Amino acid sequence: DGGITQSPKYLFRKEGQNVTLSCEQNLNHDAMYWYRQDPGQGLRLIYYSQIVNDFQKGDIAEGYSVSREKKESFPLTVTSAQKNPTAFYLCASSMVGSNSPLHFGNGTRLTVT
Amino acid sequence: AQSVTQLGSHVSVSEGALVLLRCNYSSSVPPYLFWYVQYPNQGLQLLLKYTTGATLVKGINGFEAEFKKSETSFHLTKPSAHMSDAAEYFCAVSDRPGGSYIPTFGRGTSLIVHP
Repeated sequence: DGGITQSPKYLFRKEGQNVTLSCEQNLNHDAMYWYRQDPGQGLRLIYYSQIVNDFQKGDIAEGYSVSREKKESFPLTVTSAQKNPTAFYLCASSMVGSNSPLHFGNGTRLTVT
Repeated sequence: AQSVTQLGSHVSVSEGALVLLRCNYSSSVPPYLFWYVQYPNQGLQLLLKYTTGATLVKGINGFEAEFKKSETSFHLTKPSAHMSDAAEYFCAVSDRPGGSYIPTFGRGTSLIVHP
């Protein structure tokens, strides 16, 4: 079955450590996205990429970094510069186009203490 | 810039009652509109989408939504709620002409269904 795989589902880190969240898709989608979800705040866009080796900042990119070396993969690194990294992170993909819905992974819940 | 407002962070209904979740958007051009559902600790799933054509859109699980341009609304309805409908619902709009068409999401409405 085609879909998006995020791993791990739960991740715990100490403050000051960088951590990388994995996102892989086998839907042959060109576009991939990272969203952050906090209670009552909906989904906020961190980064997106519409083609390999290119990506754009979203609304809350500070403290995060991404790479897009392969069409199937779009890992997100949460750096120590991110002031409040504890959150639920969602990866999504879509065909490029205005009426293309997003396909989401099941998320990674990151807890930093 | 596009934006989405979902009225009511929580909506509570009895099983069998009408479900109405409200979504209003702002956009400078005709938008593309979506409703997604999220169950606890999972990602979002597409319920339905409006692109062009018929303004009443039918989705999965008996949900439907009506695009009303004059009211800039895209409210989600279901005639009879089921316990399994309890989840978080998100409205999204995509309308950046000449741009990347990255969707903007509302803050979500939690649907609570009482037996």
